[in-house]
Amino acid sequence: GNSVTQMEGPVTLSEEAFLTINCTYTATGYPSLFWYVQYPGEGLQLLLKATKADDKGSNKGFEATYRKETTSFHLEKGSVQVSDSAVYFCALFYGGSQGNLIFGKGTKLSVKP
Amino acid sequence: DTGVSQDPRHKITKRGQNVTFRCDPISEHNRLYWYRQTLGQGPEFLTYFQNEAQLEKSRLLSDRFSAERPKGSFSTLEIQRTEQGDSAMYLCASSLASGQNTEAFFGQGTRLTVV
Repeated sequence: GNSVTQMEGPVTLSEEAFLTINCTYTATGYPSLFWYVQYPGEGLQLLLKATKADDKGSNKGFEATYRKETTSFHLEKGSVQVSDSAVYFCALFYGGSQGNLIFGKGTKLSVKP
Repeated sequence: DTGVSQDPRHKITKRGQNVTFRCDPISEHNRLYWYRQTLGQGPEFLTYFQNEAQLEKSRLLSDRFSAERPKGSFSTLEIQRTEQGDSAMYLCASSLASGQNTEAFFGQGTRLTVV
């Protein structure tokens, strides 16, 4: 079946460090891929997305590239800030008559000043 | 449009009671999802609607759970005979069903505590 696997957290980094959060997926067909972010006390927000192989999604300095050959969608940021502290969820959407959006378990990021 | 809204934001109930949650999606969105999120976990899919039709239900959705979207607009999720294991955040999301390129917008959630 379709599934998403994320690296387990928590991840603790110093400000301005480089961030990578790994995400791999299993899916039939060609899903769209997403990263959602959940800041403390807030709801889920879409961070970025990619809808086909080799697409790169980017937003707020975060990037992720849809790699079909490795079934991956790793999230990266070159220089994290304290305000990036949140839980990050990788997700895939598969369409068709039963299109559905399924999530990984989330990775908590804490950035220290 | 102020986005997806859920009501109530918090609910505390005694075990065995019934509870009902409401979700108002973004007005032009024809797809509506319900998820459950427990502490430290990602959202777990429960069910979704396209317009008023309930197209898929997770095995997580036991017979104590029922969801409706009678006019293809707002939706309700009812839990009968609540159990302590039902304590979680219940999330609603909506989107357009336009092939693959669709973004789901989430509400703030309803936090249920069963005591």
